[in-house]
Amino acid sequence: GDSVTQMEGPVTLSEEAFLTINCTYTATGYPSLFWYVQYPGEGLQLLLKATKADDKGSNKGFEATYRKETTSFHLEKGSVQVSDSAVYFCAHMGGKLIFGQGTELSVKP
Amino acid sequence: EAGVAQSPRYKIIEKRQSVAFWCNPISGHATLYWYQQILGQGPKLLIQFQNNGVVDDSQLPKDRFSAERLKGVDSTLKIQPAKLEDSAVYLCASSLVGLLRGTDTQYFGPGTRLTVL
Repeated sequence: GDSVTQMEGPVTLSEEAFLTINCTYTATGYPSLFWYVQYPGEGLQLLLKATKADDKGSNKGFEATYRKETTSFHLEKGSVQVSDSAVYFCAHMGGKLIFGQGTELSVKP
Repeated sequence: EAGVAQSPRYKIIEKRQSVAFWCNPISGHATLYWYQQILGQGPKLLIQFQNNGVVDDSQLPKDRFSAERLKGVDSTLKIQPAKLEDSAVYLCASSLVGLLRGTDTQYFGPGTRLTVL
């Protein structure tokens, strides 16, 4: 069935380090892809999305490219900040929104 | 624009008791979703409403969970009786259209954290 797999966390980085969080999916057809972020004590917020192959979603310095050939949607940021510490969820939507298990990111000053 | 509202934020009950959660979606959003998020996992869809009709409740444990959206606006999710494994965060989300629109963005509320003792 449809699923989303993210790299295991927690991920701990120093401020200004490069971030990659891997995400792969299995789905029938060509679903829309999303990254959501959950800051401590808050609800899920949409970070970025891509709706078709080769689309690049971007927001707040984060980017992810919809790779149909590798069924991936890896999240990247060139220079993380302490304020980026949160849990990041990859998700895809065919008929319903299906989430990965989440990757906790901790950025140290 | 006001976001998705949920109450209560926290609830502690004993097993076999009943509990209810309330959600008020963003004004004008036709579609409302309830998700269950167990610690360390991603949210899992329990039920989706389009206006006041159920679109998908395939993952709702119907022997103990029920949900309604009588006037097509706010919604209530109930658990009766609760089990230990129901301890989770219950998230409500809404979207403008929802049905058959894969690009439609879902907006999430802050969630209700349920602890069953």
